[in-house]
Amino acid sequence: AQKITQTQPGMFVQEKEAVTLDCTYDTSDQSYGLFWYKQPSSGEMIFLIYQGSYDEQNATEGRYSLNFQKARKSANLVISASQLGDSAMYFCAMRASSGGSNYKLTFGKGTLLTVNP
Amino acid sequence: DGGITQSPKYLFRKEGQNVTLSCEQNLNHDAMYWYRQDPGQGLRLIYYSQIVNDFQKGDIAEGYSVSREKKESFPLTVTSAQKNPTAFYLCASSIVATGLQPQHFGDGTRLSIL
Repeated sequence: AQKITQTQPGMFVQEKEAVTLDCTYDTSDQSYGLFWYKQPSSGEMIFLIYQGSYDEQNATEGRYSLNFQKARKSANLVISASQLGDSAMYFCAMRASSGGSNYKLTFGKGTLLTVNP
Repeated sequence: DGGITQSPKYLFRKEGQNVTLSCEQNLNHDAMYWYRQDPGQGLRLIYYSQIVNDFQKGDIAEGYSVSREKKESFPLTVTSAQKNPTAFYLCASSIVATGLQPQHFGDGTRLSIL
């Protein structure tokens, strides 16, 4: 079974500063993918970034980067130069490529990020 | 623009009534999914479909039903057997069901009990 743990229910950051959102995972699969999604108060789930378990380089997408530490089973999201529009709930999710549950995303409980002006 | 359209945005259900949530995608994705989100929680999988005319139960399928008659459409019916239907429902799709491609989501439907 897969499990995602996000230990920070809420985080605050000043505008223009960087922030790290923590995510640890647990799986027995060797091949898996890690995803981060953003959910604004309006509710839509926006895909941000993806990291494969065999990728040697950390993923980056604009102001988002994923700090992937495989041995520690962590996949932290780093947002650089925070903007007011970054205020939202952020979910870490995992998908395994083998076994009986490879079709679904397993989500953490999320971290609510508030960007202060 | 390619994307996933869910309707309605808000839905109210009376006791004993079945209601159907619509999900349409024009991304040409084979796989589609329905998730339920309760307040302060992550998403839980209700049903998924890998191809047309095929669908499988997820983790919390009881009280729900789906159909997949067209590639673009994956409606979810919340039946009267679902005793606690108040939640936010999100539809998603991906290129295929297996593998590590991301799932892309619609804007969601909020269902409440009258």
